[in-house]
Amino acid sequence: GQQLNQSPQSMFIQEGEDVSMNCTSSSIFNTWLWYKQDPGEGPVLLIALYKAGELTSNGRLTAQFGITRKDSFLNISASIPSDVGIYFCAGLTSGTYKYIFGTGTRLKVLA
Amino acid sequence: DTEVTQTPKHLVMGMTNKKSLKCEQHMGHRAMYWYKQKAKKPPELMFVYSYEKLSINESVPSRFSPECPNSSLLNLHLHALQPEDSALYLCASSQVLGGVAKNIQYFGAGTRLSVL
Repeated sequence: GQQLNQSPQSMFIQEGEDVSMNCTSSSIFNTWLWYKQDPGEGPVLLIALYKAGELTSNGRLTAQFGITRKDSFLNISASIPSDVGIYFCAGLTSGTYKYIFGTGTRLKVLA
Repeated sequence: DTEVTQTPKHLVMGMTNKKSLKCEQHMGHRAMYWYKQKAKKPPELMFVYSYEKLSINESVPSRFSPECPNSSLLNLHLHALQPEDSALYLCASSQVLGGVAKNIQYFGAGTRLSVL
């Protein structure tokens, strides 16, 4: 099925560093969601975005809905060991139940 | 409460067995989903129910049979599975399309299925 391009695919960072990842699409979306998934668990919703240009924060996390509606960005500030996991973006077009998922960014934090 | 509950957490079955996965939510969501997820891959949509009726079937083999007995429950019946069906099976729920609430999809913790 269709997937969104998400980058980077994986990253090692030092504890305390800031992290940036993004998701791009050839299609326009009306909703962007960002999830974090720990091994053997289901994805947990981090941030939801609904309007082009929207910037939303959740603690150390900040996400933006791209102006073109074809991309979204997630930033994590001052990373900590529990930030380890896989981060997925998901886009949704209005009028459908098909959430399109990104390929995932695997984050590993070095203490 | 944004909880979606899936049982069992783990399931091991032979290729001739019949088993069922269960999912429950009490958020009043009228759209419920089954996804299959392989290791290090994003979730793949299998089925969507809207108002207890099957809305989307992503060409899933008939050995997977979904059922939505009421607005809170979603089942996935398994029969004659193959080893390549081993995966994490995720249930999710959301508000229906066109609703006032935003289109946020919440996931359960998943059922880890191993087919021997």
